[in-house]
Amino acid sequence: DTAVSQTPKYLVTQMGNDKSIKCEQNLGHDTMYWYKQDSKKFLKIMFSYNNKELIINETVPNRFSPKSPDKAHLNLHINSLELGDSAVYFCASSHGTHTGNEQFFGPGTRLTVL
Amino acid sequence: GENVEQHPSTLSVQEGDSAVIKCTYSDSASNYFPWYKQELGKRPQLIIDIRSNVGEKKDQRIAVTLNKTAKHFSLHITETQPEDSAVYFCAASKTDRDDKIIFGKGTRLHILP
Repeated sequence: DTAVSQTPKYLVTQMGNDKSIKCEQNLGHDTMYWYKQDSKKFLKIMFSYNNKELIINETVPNRFSPKSPDKAHLNLHINSLELGDSAVYFCASSHGTHTGNEQFFGPGTRLTVL
Repeated sequence: GENVEQHPSTLSVQEGDSAVIKCTYSDSASNYFPWYKQELGKRPQLIIDIRSNVGEKKDQRIAVTLNKTAKHFSLHITETQPEDSAVYFCAASKTDRDDKIIFGKGTRLHILP
């Protein structure tokens, strides 16, 4: 069974469109994250949620809006896509309420904005 | 805020030799230091971690050392094998609820035949 899953795996879209990426974890973890990995492979946290509560909200444009319907799901909606949004987006989850535990990453969603 | 510097950005070693990747951190309150391995096209996966109450930790061919005074930590891979080729990320965090983990910029390790 896949521990952390994301859909879609690839997303190609035009500038200005709105798109969503879905993430689900079946590990029973309390905390979920979204990371952006740019073309230079730099991993940067965007958001974290603990039991559906937003904990970390980095300096991300407000075109990005996370939604956590329950503690097993954390979706990412992106409005008015821009060329610079092209990247791989990773969802992750961890046990407990703090960052001092192993993070389990999803397979990533490669977003290409044309 | 925390800043993590990682060196080198690229490292090539002969198969069977050792590889060392070094990281420094800025926030002396950081107390958790994981290392993640990311193979090409795959997700990052934890390979080893160390907490600030320990100076060294070993798991088979992989070891991590931590120097809290100097605020640096290192990953050591011995007897390198082709499957060790990947990008390795160090990271640092405190362990409070609203703290975030900060990753280094990664080291691309090439194992040469």
